[in-house]
Amino acid sequence: QQQVKQSPQSLIVQKGGISIINCAYENTAFDYFPWYQQFPGKGPALLIAIRPDVSEKKEGRFTISFNKSAKQFSLHIMDSQPGDSATYFCAASDQTGANNLFFGTGTRLTVIP
Amino acid sequence: NAGVTQTPKFQVLKTGQSMTLQCAQDMNHEYMSWYRQDPGMGLRLIHYSVGAGITDQGEVPNGYNVSRSTTEDFPLRLLSAAPSQTSVYFCASRQDRPSETQYFGPGTRLLVL
Repeated sequence: QQQVKQSPQSLIVQKGGISIINCAYENTAFDYFPWYQQFPGKGPALLIAIRPDVSEKKEGRFTISFNKSAKQFSLHIMDSQPGDSATYFCAASDQTGANNLFFGTGTRLTVIP
Repeated sequence: NAGVTQTPKFQVLKTGQSMTLQCAQDMNHEYMSWYRQDPGMGLRLIHYSVGAGITDQGEVPNGYNVSRSTTEDFPLRLLSAAPSQTSVYFCASRQDRPSETQYFGPGTRLLVL
């Protein structure tokens, strides 16, 4: 059973446009929500992360929006560039045990020039 | 620092063969983990370790064994490979809390015929 649900599976955006990827979770114990970026043939790398005490976090062109009551969070990529073309994974972990990360199924983003 | 390294990069096995996927990190991280990545499934946790001598099961542990004799190394063993284990395997490590950034290796692509 997928603990973190991610959509869409794939996304095509024009250069300069806004890319939006959504994730939802059920486990209210989750308290850390990172986004990972993965280029073909490489391992995932942390892009940006948020904790539930804030509703938004922005780093450059990347913003996480977090809705605790709806148990949803999303990644917004402003002014999308062809270099942003990659697979994006949302994830979540909780305070209990070893703080394992549970990943969404991924979104393949293609930014066309 | 080399970060997280994995060997081999690619391997072909026949059903029933055994092999060990190697993982090493030089960041003195206590936590290490193994994930498998399959199309449409995201990254799923196989096994993890919170320190030398301590290992535990993740979401999909069947068919895999691990051990952690040193802080640096965390090998993953397939005792009798099956076609269902065809996947890309990623090793990751992180410091203990509060830092939660996981650093991933480059991956091992495994094909079981």
